[in-house]
Order: sequence, then structure tokens, then C-alpha cells
Amino acid sequence: GQNIDQPTEMTATEGAIVQINCTYQTSGFNGLFWYQQHAGEAPTFLSYNVLDGLEEKGRFSSFLSRSKGYSYLLLKELQMKDSASYLCAVMDSNYQLIWGAGTKLIIKP
Amino acid sequence: GAVVSQHPSRVICKSGTSVKIECRSLDFQATTMFWYRQFPKQSLMLMATSNEGSKATYEQGVEKDKFLINHASLTLSTLTVTSAHPEDSSFYICSARAGEIQETQYFGPGTRLLVL
Repeated sequence: GQNIDQPTEMTATEGAIVQINCTYQTSGFNGLFWYQQHAGEAPTFLSYNVLDGLEEKGRFSSFLSRSKGYSYLLLKELQMKDSASYLCAVMDSNYQLIWGAGTKLIIKP
Repeated sequence: GAVVSQHPSRVICKSGTSVKIECRSLDFQATTMFWYRQFPKQSLMLMATSNEGSKATYEQGVEKDKFLINHASLTLSTLTVTSAHPEDSSFYICSARAGEIQETQYFGPGTRLLVL
């Protein structure tokens, strides 16, 4: 079966750095996405990785290792507004998105 | 960036009535649109994939006669929840993918449905 695993909840301090991990097992691979979802709102696109390595975009970076079926989202200089759920999703061989359950990130002052 | 709108943003209806939700891609043509449902504190669940001009493909367990999907143009898809019941209360989110670009789905803001 297809499976995406990510921690249910994480807590971090304002101004710090946090890494959210995602491991996956899917039928085929056409890229991995990270989305941010604030409570009561739809997800917003953060990043897309299809090749191994690190993609940096401002305070957010995303890493992919296809051989290990592993990705992480790195958030630097955390701000209170970063409190949200972070969803990992993998596009399988049929170009369908397989979603993780999301990681709720709580930022404390 | 690509913008997707949804209407209405929130709807309350009586049990047994039908509700239509519209999803529009405002600045691009979407050959494929997706409809998701999300229950509180749970992840997105894909309900169906809609391609312009053809019948929608429903995920296992989703009743196609209850959740009617129409994708009549490259910028508009509609989801109609027929004979809604309280258990249909949920957050419904559409997303759109532009043309041959397989990578990114752009999400609408979602519609919160409450069936009394």
C-alpha cells in the first residue's frame, strides 16, 4: 500500500529552527510537495522537490532523498504566524497526490 | 501565482436539501480539478478527479450519485452534494492543475458545509 508518515505534532520556540520529517512509500514517484495549512483554511503551496537535494526558499527549505524515501521541511527564524499544520504529499506514478496526515506545529514565544 | 476561487465559502442547509459548490480558476485554464473533503483534525481526502469535458473519476467509497461533479469549462467545476445529511458536514476544498503541468495543484479557499 501507499503510505506517508510524518509526526502528528511538534512544538518550537519563536526565533528557533524546526525540522519536520516525512517518509513515504508509494507506487512510483513524481515529486514531493509541502503545503502549509492554517486552521480553517485551505492548504497553500510551499515547495516541490523531484530531484535529490535541498531547495531553499527564504526561511523555508525542503530536502529530498529518493533512495531513502525521505524528505524534510526546515523552517528557520520561526515566527508566531508559522503556527499551522504542514502537509507532506507525494505524487505517485499516476500523478495522483498521496497525502500525509499533517504535522501540527505549535510556536511558543 | 495561479488563483482558484470557491463559492460559497460557508453554507448552512437543512437535511435533505442539495448544495452546489463552485470552483473557478481565475487566471489560468485548468484541465484537471480535484475535489477534497477534510474532517476536523484530519488530512485531505480526495473525493474525485474532474477533467474538462469528461466524467469525473471518483475515489473508492465516494458515491457518485450523491456527489455530482460537473467540469463544463476549463475554468469552472461544480460539486453538488445531493440530499445532504449531517454526516456530510465537512470542509470541501477544490484544487486545479494547469494544462500539461503535472507538478503543482493550486487550492481554492474551501467551503465549510454544515447540514442541520
